[in-house]
Amino acid sequence: EAGVAQSPRYKIIEKRQSVAFWCNPISGHATLYWYQQILGQGPKLLIQFQNNGVVDDSQLPKDRFSAERLKGVDSTLKIQPAKLEDSAVYLCASSLDLRNTGELFFGEGSRLTVL
Amino acid sequence: DAKTTQPNSMESNEEEPVHLPCNHSTISGTDYIHWYRQLPSQGPEYVIHGLTSNVNNRMASLAIAEDRKSSTLILHRATLRDAAVYYCIAYGGATNKLIFGTGTLLAVQP
Repeated sequence: EAGVAQSPRYKIIEKRQSVAFWCNPISGHATLYWYQQILGQGPKLLIQFQNNGVVDDSQLPKDRFSAERLKGVDSTLKIQPAKLEDSAVYLCASSLDLRNTGELFFGEGSRLTVL
Repeated sequence: DAKTTQPNSMESNEEEPVHLPCNHSTISGTDYIHWYRQLPSQGPEYVIHGLTSNVNNRMASLAIAEDRKSSTLILHRATLRDAAVYYCIAYGGATNKLIFGTGTLLAVQP
């Protein structure tokens, strides 16, 4: 079974530039999550989708971050404009549905460096 | 969401058992206890979860205290590949959100 796919794996940009990350969840997984992981910290949930609807985006800095999940499958996370503090690994995860017992499958992440 | 407390780091020797503790004194009756681990340069990986009873799977065992205020993840024979950050999470059915703390960094010595 294919896992969660993310791209790009690495991205280096200058502050105030924009960047987009792509995620393809495991086939059939209705719930998709984006996490931000700053070096030395645990992953922080940014946004959670159920199919193509947003369930929780309370931790998403909406002035610069946006995410969408068109057609309830792939998702993109965009940052515009980027700040130095956005340097982190962006992890995508998926699970079968909201009422599962919490088993999430994570991708390898997209590492962003903002200079 | 219930808060969990874990030691920042632990060390173990290869082929010895490892007991990773977690305190979750504010856990609600419907919260599952989940453990994930994160190997270097990888995303977190599900290890095990439980509600009230002890659980075993091919990766580990989970021992849950009778009052559910603490739990212990048991790796029966540590290998070098078990060196990772281990996260204990109280997974709330009401919020359906996995909230990670800072976890325990496990070092395994040969």
